[in-house]
Amino acid sequence: GAGVSQTPSNKVTEKGKYVELRCDPISGHTALYWYRQSLGQGPEFLIYFQGTGAADDSGLPNDRFFAVRPEGSVSTLKIQRTERGDSAVYLCASSSTVGNTEAFFGQGTRLTVV
Amino acid sequence: QKEVEQNSGPLSVPEGAIASLNCTYSDRVSQSFFWYRQYSGKSPELIMSIYSNGDKEDGRFTAQLNKASQYVSLLIRDSQPSDSATYLCAVAGTYKYIFGTGTRLKVLA
Repeated sequence: GAGVSQTPSNKVTEKGKYVELRCDPISGHTALYWYRQSLGQGPEFLIYFQGTGAADDSGLPNDRFFAVRPEGSVSTLKIQRTERGDSAVYLCASSSTVGNTEAFFGQGTRLTVV
Repeated sequence: QKEVEQNSGPLSVPEGAIASLNCTYSDRVSQSFFWYRQYSGKSPELIMSIYSNGDKEDGRFTAQLNKASQYVSLLIRDSQPSDSATYLCAVAGTYKYIFGTGTRLKVLA
């Protein structure tokens, strides 16, 4: 596609439920990043993929968060047993190579846990 | 000390003036530097990248990098009300992009 695509744009879920957020990167981009942004803050790093493997998942806040990229393209961020504190905008970005190159963001998924 | 620091603002400038946005970073091995613009309720949009010391100009935007001082800046010439947004500084090392909290710019008509 022309840009990074994220679905859904908005997700409202009840506390304790499971959610999946999808990211479709720019075609040909091998690096894919997930960030989380709270109001008034900059994007906070969660996890990074180079190809199919999670090269660095040090930003995932706890084991309720998990992400996959099975075929090296589309990625899914999975959150189990959601908590109200998980409410934020989840941003996905992709770049053509590993770091040190321009990264482009999708429009984000606004997650609200009620 | 935060890895990437920016003044949160708001920075208010009159229309037509030069807006100067600043960013400092702590990791000396950082290699690449980026400025993103983020309108309220939207995702970050890349506007400038800079990799070497000195200035890089693109239209009304100039990015300045001083690795010795660990300092990056963005100048916006002839500021327009449409430039009103939050500007995020991002610093990349081996692979990860670290963002500042952003500076909110208000251009007054």
